[in-house]
Amino acid sequence: EVQLVESGGGLVQPGGSLRLSCAASGFTFSSDWMSWVRQAPGKGLEWVAKINQHGSEKYYVDSVKGRFTISRDNAKNSVYLQMNSLRAEDTAVYYCARYQGLGYWGQGTLVTVSS
Amino acid sequence: DIQMTQSPSSLSASVGDRVTITCRASQGIGNDLGWYQQKPGKAPKRLIYAASSLHSGVPSRFSGSGSGTEFTLTISSLQPEDFATYYCLQYNTNPSTFGQGTKLEIK
Repeated sequence: EVQLVESGGGLVQPGGSLRLSCAASGFTFSSDWMSWVRQAPGKGLEWVAKINQHGSEKYYVDSVKGRFTISRDNAKNSVYLQMNSLRAEDTAVYYCARYQGLGYWGQGTLVTVSS
Repeated sequence: DIQMTQSPSSLSASVGDRVTITCRASQGIGNDLGWYQQKPGKAPKRLIYAASSLHSGVPSRFSGSGSGTEFTLTISSLQPEDFATYYCLQYNTNPSTFGQGTKLEIK
């Protein structure tokens, strides 16, 4: 069974940093693209970033470029999202997902950016 | 960026109804489109990938069609558990982009 478990969310002040983790199991992690998607409270879904199998290709939505970094550790079956210079508008539930086509999702972790 | 225009934004229907939701892409995306269902407080679940392929375990009353710029999700006979919000996603061109969502409510 595919499982994706996010962690690392919490309350952070504007300008602060947070690192999200997503632990994967139930599939060959090193074979698949992985993605992050977020959803602000009461809003729709927004794709954030994705990374290829080897970590050599990374893509981001414009609103997080230069602030967020996606990475992965295939030995640990984990994907990460380093979030710096956080803004109030980054407040959202963050989901990790398997594949470019987002075939499987974790349960999400809430990030709140507020003073 | 490719804009995904989803319609309608909300829809009221009854159990047993046939329902269609449409997504239009601002430029051609081949068949690189998925459909997702989200219930309140839960993570989205994929229903359809590659525009018309049913995700594993998804009931056959869900179907997808289209290519290029016009796509549809059809639910052939609504069941009580289908009342949720539905999103389309294009993953042909970076950044991937979602439609704004369709909230399907009970009439």
